[in-house]
Amino acid sequence: EVQLVESGGGLVQPGRSLRLSCAASGFTFDDYAMHWVRQAPGKGLEWVSGISWASGSIGYADSVKGRFTISRDNAKNSLYLQMNSLRAEDTALYYCAKDMNYDSSGYLAVDHWGQGTLVTVSS
Amino acid sequence: QSALTQPPSASGSPGQSVTISCTGTSSDVGGYNYVSWYQQHPGKAPKLMIYEVSKRPSGVPDRFSGSKSGNTASLTVSGLQAEDEADYYCSSYAGINKGVFGGGTKLTVL
Repeated sequence: EVQLVESGGGLVQPGRSLRLSCAASGFTFDDYAMHWVRQAPGKGLEWVSGISWASGSIGYADSVKGRFTISRDNAKNSLYLQMNSLRAEDTALYYCAKDMNYDSSGYLAVDHWGQGTLVTVSS
Repeated sequence: QSALTQPPSASGSPGQSVTISCTGTSSDVGGYNYVSWYQQHPGKAPKLMIYEVSKRPSGVPDRFSGSKSGNTASLTVSGLQAEDEADYYCSSYAGINKGVFGGGTKLTVL
């Protein structure tokens, strides 16, 4: 059974940093692209970032480019999101998501989702 | 990188069909056959219903179908059932390693 378990969320002040982690199990992690998708309270889904199986293809939404960095450690079956210079508008539930594809960071055919980790940016 | 355009709401009676549109540009929906559709019930993670415009993952009822014409993709739900009431989101590859979601459509089964 595919499992994606996010961690690292919490309350953080504007301008500070936070690192999210996603532990994957139940599938061959390095065979698939992965994404971070967020959902602000009461709002829709927003693609944040994606990374291909071997990290050769990486993409970011314009809203986070230059502030967020996605990475993966295939040896540890883990996905990460380093979030710097956080803003109030980054407040959201952050989902770790597995793509059906392996070679692009943006195809967004997500067949498995985690339960999300909540990030709240507030002073 | 603008969000894809979806109608905020759609509705239909049980047994009827309803179609939800997703409009983008030639740089996303119109340029690639990487359109997906997701169903999200309140408090739950999204579920993949359609990928690559019209393909259904295993386990998704064939009442759900997808299509695309030009810069607009569509999700059709036939034989509406009460459990189909949910939020629906489209997504598309937007080139240069980017993805984009639509704003979402709340489907109500009357």
